[in-house]
Amino acid sequence: GESVGLHLPTLSVQEGDNSIINCAYSNSASDYFIWYKQESGKGPQFIIDIRSNMDKRQGQRVTVLLNKTVKHLSLQIAATQPGDSAVYFCAENTGGFKTIFGAGTRLFVKA
Amino acid sequence: DTAVSQTPKYLVTQMGNDKSIKCEQNLGHDTMYWYKQDSKKFLKIMFSYNNKELIINETVPNRFSPKSPDKAHLNLHINSLELGDSAVYFCASSQGQRGRDFFGQGTRLTVV
Repeated sequence: GESVGLHLPTLSVQEGDNSIINCAYSNSASDYFIWYKQESGKGPQFIIDIRSNMDKRQGQRVTVLLNKTVKHLSLQIAATQPGDSAVYFCAENTGGFKTIFGAGTRLFVKA
Repeated sequence: DTAVSQTPKYLVTQMGNDKSIKCEQNLGHDTMYWYKQDSKKFLKIMFSYNNKELIINETVPNRFSPKSPDKAHLNLHINSLELGDSAVYFCASSQGQRGRDFFGQGTRLTVV
């Protein structure tokens, strides 16, 4: 069935270190992937996306990697800051007006 | 200006009551959604609307009735509220069927 899942529900990193959040998806037909950040009391906020014809995309301090062979997605955050503390969701889209979200990973940044 | 706004932010009500949550987006998007987020932060789509028409209903009980009077609005009415309806409900919008979603701040519904 469709599912997007995360390997680590909680990740704790030291301020200044790099963070890597992983995600596995099972729908081979998914062709668009998005990472969202959700801070406490707020709605999810777009971070970065990638289409299936790419395997890497970089933003400001963030990089998304896509490995279609093993259906794996990751979000890398460089020089993690306290403001990065949040719950991170990967999501997949196959078109059809439906986005499927993964379970979420909570990122704690220690000062 | 808030891109996607929903009201109220908090809603506490008794079992059996009927309540509505309103959502408006000023992004000019043609697609709007309702999501439900449970206590474990799991986020699941409930409904998708495109150009005011229902596209997706993810096996949501009939007690939930969305209404889209125009492309900028998608309201959610819930009848006969149950304890299990307690959750945070998010409205979102996107451009087309593959655009990234823009979320509202959420409505925390507590049924007592």
